[in-house]
Amino acid sequence: QSVLTQPPSVSGAPGQRVTISCTGSSSNIGDGYDVHWYQHLPGTAPKLLMYANSKRPSGVPDRFSGSKSGTSASLAITGLQAEDEADYYCQSYDNSLSGSVFGAGTKLTVL
Amino acid sequence: EDQVVESGGGLVQPGRSLRLSCTASGFSFGDSAMSWFRQAPGKGLEWVGLIRSRDYGETTEYAAFVKGRFTISRDDFKSVAYLQMNSLKTEDTAVYYCSRVGSDMVATRWFDLWGRGTLVTASS
Repeated sequence: QSVLTQPPSVSGAPGQRVTISCTGSSSNIGDGYDVHWYQHLPGTAPKLLMYANSKRPSGVPDRFSGSKSGTSASLAITGLQAEDEADYYCQSYDNSLSGSVFGAGTKLTVL
Repeated sequence: EDQVVESGGGLVQPGRSLRLSCTASGFSFGDSAMSWFRQAPGKGLEWVGLIRSRDYGETTEYAAFVKGRFTISRDDFKSVAYLQMNSLKTEDTAVYYCSRVGSDMVATRWFDLWGRGTLVTASS
């Protein structure tokens, strides 16, 4: 059971918009800790996609955006492309566990 | 090009030890905190622990499940971070990743440069 809750899967057609939610609690996201997002294709290195809730590292297209409110955060992807098909993980810090925590991951399928 | 490469994985019997290496290149390793993660088969990413730079005393933090079995260390001359795993259990079977810590402020700690991982299989 992951500390952060994500939907197991989302899907969308090319060009569409999808969102991935990440729900935490008062000991992590709700206590003010930032949320970060990673994109991971099995067999490859995970990639930092979004940091500090809504900041994109250099090279990440502006089709990706992030937000945080209360005990939740979300990642939005617009203009879906086939290359976006991957697993997406949210990550934050939990003060009751005294460490970084991840969601279980969401598999994005581009139809 | 900045990169980290994990090595040292393999098949190990439960109860035995294994040391993983994370070799960095392209960036100032000595100024960077480094972290280890794992991904068990069919599961998500799990944080294992981190080690800070010499400027921050090479202090370490570990996930609760480590319970003293794992130790992270570093050799700045070789630009390598290590994960020493003792008393391995079957449930430690996973792909182990290392990453550079992009920000080590607790309120906003993220990981910005990952390797492709190395597979550890603990089985008799």
